[in-house]
Amino acid sequence: DAGVTQSPTHLIKTRGQHVTLRCSPISGHKSVSWYQQVLGQGPQFIFQYYEKEERGRGNFPDRFSARQFPNYSSELNVNALLLGDSALYLCASSWGANTGELFFGEGSRLTVL
Amino acid sequence: QQQVKQSPQSLIVQKGGIPIINCAYENTAFDYFPWYQQFPGKGPALLIAIRPDVSEKKEGRFTISFNKSAKQFSLHIMDSQPGDSATYFCAARLDDKIIFGKGTRLHILP
Repeated sequence: DAGVTQSPTHLIKTRGQHVTLRCSPISGHKSVSWYQQVLGQGPQFIFQYYEKEERGRGNFPDRFSARQFPNYSSELNVNALLLGDSALYLCASSWGANTGELFFGEGSRLTVL
Repeated sequence: QQQVKQSPQSLIVQKGGIPIINCAYENTAFDYFPWYQQFPGKGPALLIAIRPDVSEKKEGRFTISFNKSAKQFSLHIMDSQPGDSATYFCAARLDDKIIFGKGTRLHILP
């Protein structure tokens, strides 16, 4: 069975641009969470979606948005990119909203120049 | 209040030794405490987890000790191997989100 897949794996953007990151959860999983991991730090919670509805939002500005599609895949959008947005963006899926067991993808490495 | 404090930042242990990673928290609303292991270039993977009504949990060579009154918990790795070299994150669940510590980079010497 395929694990959580994320695309693209690497991308380079310039300040002020917009980026869209995509995630396909494990088959049967209905919840997707997004995390930002800055080098040398632990993952920081950005969003959780369950059954296409936002269930939680971390302490990130409104430039960050996300959505979940009927097939449970998800997109993370970041507008007006800043240098500080450079990070590994991790997507995690779980079968339910509050299971505690997250299955992570390998992430999308975003570099903002 | 929503932080999980993890120590040490890095740890070097000889093969066969028992590395211990410690975590502390303040928020008593946390109701589930997982540990994740991350290898370079990979996403974190769930290693072992414990609920606050249990004082110890063992899975293979990995043991979590949990002290609810002190609001502390720790990970012990028995008979450590070079393949255990990775970054370890303690975490805690609050509502629908998992909050991670800053991580411990563990290196097991052969």
